[in-house]
Amino acid sequence: DQQVKQNSPSLSVQEGRISILNCDYTNSMFDYFLWYKKYPAEGPTFLISISSIKDKNEDGRFTVFLNKSAKHLSLHIVPSQPGDSAVYFCAATQSGTSYGKLTFGQGTILTVHP
Amino acid sequence: GAGVSQTPSNKVTEKGKYVELRCDPISGHTALYWYRQSLGQGPEFLIYFQGTGAADDSGLPNDRFFAVRPEGSVSTLKIQRTERGDSAVYLCASSLTPGPQYFGPGTRLTVT
Repeated sequence: DQQVKQNSPSLSVQEGRISILNCDYTNSMFDYFLWYKKYPAEGPTFLISISSIKDKNEDGRFTVFLNKSAKHLSLHIVPSQPGDSAVYFCAATQSGTSYGKLTFGQGTILTVHP
Repeated sequence: GAGVSQTPSNKVTEKGKYVELRCDPISGHTALYWYRQSLGQGPEFLIYFQGTGAADDSGLPNDRFFAVRPEGSVSTLKIQRTERGDSAVYLCASSLTPGPQYFGPGTRLTVT
């Protein structure tokens, strides 16, 4: 039972353009969502998070949008840079579990071409 | 400041052997987590400590897996009678709760 899904295994974008990574979830108890970036042979690096009380959170070039009714979130990267090329994971958790257990999607490989 | 560190970075062991994987969390982080990541998949939750106690061990796959955090800082994940299916990258993370989890580089375990 895949509770968090990233349906696009890969995404290719030109440098300077917008990258949009999508994530869907099925568990309505999830109320805190995170995006992580992962380079080969490294652990995931935290990028940005959003609580279910908000529908948008922005941090520099990164913006996360949450649509609770559709159980969908997306990560926008503007402008995209070659250094953004990595695997991106979305993750979800419940405040009722003290934000303990993260459930991850399968990841999307982003390639930004110069 | 220093991030989460994990040792060893790589471990190769024979089927049936016992292994220990160590995690040093970020100083001051009270919560510590273990995940396992197989190729092409996202990290999969194993166990979560709040202080010295396991707050949630629902992800441990069977009783061959055990983890401790005796002084509320360093944690050790222990795997008995290793099987080839245990081969994966084992990730440790720590956090202030509530808050995002910060991951270490992982230990790549290969069971031959």
